[in-house]
Amino acid sequence: DIQLTQSPSSLPASLGDRVTITCRTSERINSYLNWYQQRPGKAPRLLIYAASSLQRGVPSRFSGSGSGTDFTLTITNLQPEDSATYYCQQGYNSPLTFGQGTKLEIK
Amino acid sequence: QVQLLESGPGLVKPSQTLSLSCSVSGAPISTGDYYWSWFRQHPGKGLEWIGYTYNSGRPYYNPSLKSRLIISADSSRSQVSLKLTSVSAADTAVYFCARGVPSPHGPTNWFDSWGPGTLVTVSS
Repeated sequence: DIQLTQSPSSLPASLGDRVTITCRTSERINSYLNWYQQRPGKAPRLLIYAASSLQRGVPSRFSGSGSGTDFTLTITNLQPEDSATYYCQQGYNSPLTFGQGTKLEIK
Repeated sequence: QVQLLESGPGLVKPSQTLSLSCSVSGAPISTGDYYWSWFRQHPGKGLEWIGYTYNSGRPYYNPSLKSRLIISADSSRSQVSLKLTSVSAADTAVYFCARGVPSPHGPTNWFDSWGPGTLVTVSS
């Protein structure tokens, strides 16, 4: 199975900040990497697909980049509603796998 | 806009079969355009892909669950079902169904619509 390692696991930040979450995969996956946001008690929400494509309806404050084994999710101008856990997911090989999550806390 | 809603018993006894349904509205499940998928999330943990059905019924399963798993689609009822046999406490989780969108540029997909999830507890 392809392993995904996210860093950091926990990320305190302030309103208006710019933050970056990284996702490293155990083998090369081209650009087959997706990012999701999950608020407590809710279903995941697709933010970014194919490493850098913004899902319709997602604010442009969210962006993704990377290919191969190293990927990043960047959020600018943090808003209160961005408090959530963020997951990366690879779509290169079965079984599909996720990172362990990054919990973003807005102070 | 597609909507998905999971349903099923919230409590299942050990060794029994967990059966869940996902009702889909706003998009036909019969055309083979999407991967109709199941995921789960153990309490306080991350996300795990269970499997999906695609292309009018061909299933793809997580190897870790394959021997106990059946995923199927009933297009007449717009439902996708999950059956997991011989459950144990390790199967206690929130179960989500989701729609996978195939990429037009390569053999991959992403999951753009999710149900709210349903908690299943395995306990006697």
